[in-house]
Amino acid sequence: IAGITQAPTSQILAAGRRMTLRCTQDMRHNAMYWYRQDLGLGLRLIHYSNTAGTTGKGEVPDGYSVSRANTDDFPLTLASAVPSQTSVYFCASSEGADGGTDTQYFGPGTRLTVL
Amino acid sequence: GQNIDQPTEMTATEGAIVQINCTYQTSGFNGLFWYQQHAGEAPTFLSYNVLDGLEEKGRFSSFLSRSKGYSYLLLKELQMKDSASYLCAVMDSNYQLIWGAGTKLIIKP
Repeated sequence: IAGITQAPTSQILAAGRRMTLRCTQDMRHNAMYWYRQDLGLGLRLIHYSNTAGTTGKGEVPDGYSVSRANTDDFPLTLASAVPSQTSVYFCASSEGADGGTDTQYFGPGTRLTVL
Repeated sequence: GQNIDQPTEMTATEGAIVQINCTYQTSGFNGLFWYQQHAGEAPTFLSYNVLDGLEEKGRFSSFLSRSKGYSYLLLKELQMKDSASYLCAVMDSNYQLIWGAGTKLIIKP
């Protein structure tokens, strides 16, 4: 069982380029999330999806877009990358049960550098 | 605004006990999570508290006081492999996780 996979593992990107980070889970979880993690800051939610076909904005959505065409995949797209988007990006998923006991499980992360 | 506070860094000795504190101010409360994150790796789930009191899981225990907006993670019989960052996160009224910046725990022999 792979859990959650992310691709690529790392990427160096020129500013202004378009980039899609891939995320796939095989746990049949309803909810999926994209976070960025920067030194000295907590994980910040970019976008989320409570179920296939729906998405929502998190704390820092500007410059990012997502889609959720099916249960397993939740790609994150940077339409025109800027240096401030240099970060480590984590995808996570959870069962999506109503209530608080909805533990999130994380993928291995993508380290993105925008020059 | 919403805020999660935890110490930036702590140092402890192998075999000892360490307590990592977390205080929070959030819009609503639907539980508090602790995660462990080794350098260069993904966060992994450690514990969940929604009611006041202590939850024990092997060498790790987590405590919650909702009236004080306070939690701690207690690690006993420290091992070198416990060197990691420990992340505190609170689920708010919208069922979204608000994360602290993490506490880097350094274990010395």
